[in-house]
Amino acid sequence: QKEVEQNSGPLSVPEGAIASLNCTYSDRGSQSFFWYRQYSGKSPELIMFIYSNGDKEDGRFTAQLNRASQYISLLIRDSKLSDSATYLCAVHNAGGTSYGKLTFGQGTILTVHP
Amino acid sequence: NAGVTQTPKFQVLKTGQSMTLQCAQDMNHNSMYWYRQDPGMGLRLIYYSASEGTTDKGEVPNGYNVSRLNKREFSLRLESAAPSQTSVYFCASKQSGGYTFGSGTRLTVV
Repeated sequence: QKEVEQNSGPLSVPEGAIASLNCTYSDRGSQSFFWYRQYSGKSPELIMFIYSNGDKEDGRFTAQLNRASQYISLLIRDSKLSDSATYLCAVHNAGGTSYGKLTFGQGTILTVHP
Repeated sequence: NAGVTQTPKFQVLKTGQSMTLQCAQDMNHNSMYWYRQDPGMGLRLIYYSASEGTTDKGEVPNGYNVSRLNKREFSLRLESAAPSQTSVYFCASKQSGGYTFGSGTRLTVV
């Protein structure tokens, strides 16, 4: 089992719709969880991070964490053409250190069409 | 502020050649990381450095070496490049709210 798995894509949604991206992780000791967006040929850029169970909202984006189910999701409301990108889920485990390691899922390609 | 700077941006090597990928950050972060990204596989950790003077292996360290020259710089060396090392390489440094990535090095080994 991979440490971090994302739902298989690609995902295609119409402009203005809600896009839902999902991710599961295997290490129950993981402390924090991140969503990155990556445009083709560019580096990953941080969208949101979440530490606590429940929802965290930032503008059109909502991250959800369910530690019991080891499940993370990202909802994008009112999807725009510029949201078309690869979305990477990442899980951080400090392992008792001050730095830790970030483990990524394989990414989900999202296409928003007119 | 440049954040995380990687050089070069593109490189083509012949099998067996060596090269060093450079990374520098100006954010005074202690921890730095090297990842490689291959199609359909997300980012995989090669090596990391928790602080100046320390380095540790990540998920895919074989064929690579690293040097944490000082707090700012963390370099990745390929001693004898192989076609399997064709990839996009990202350097990152850690901040409290996540990692900041450099712009990447696209490496092709022929």
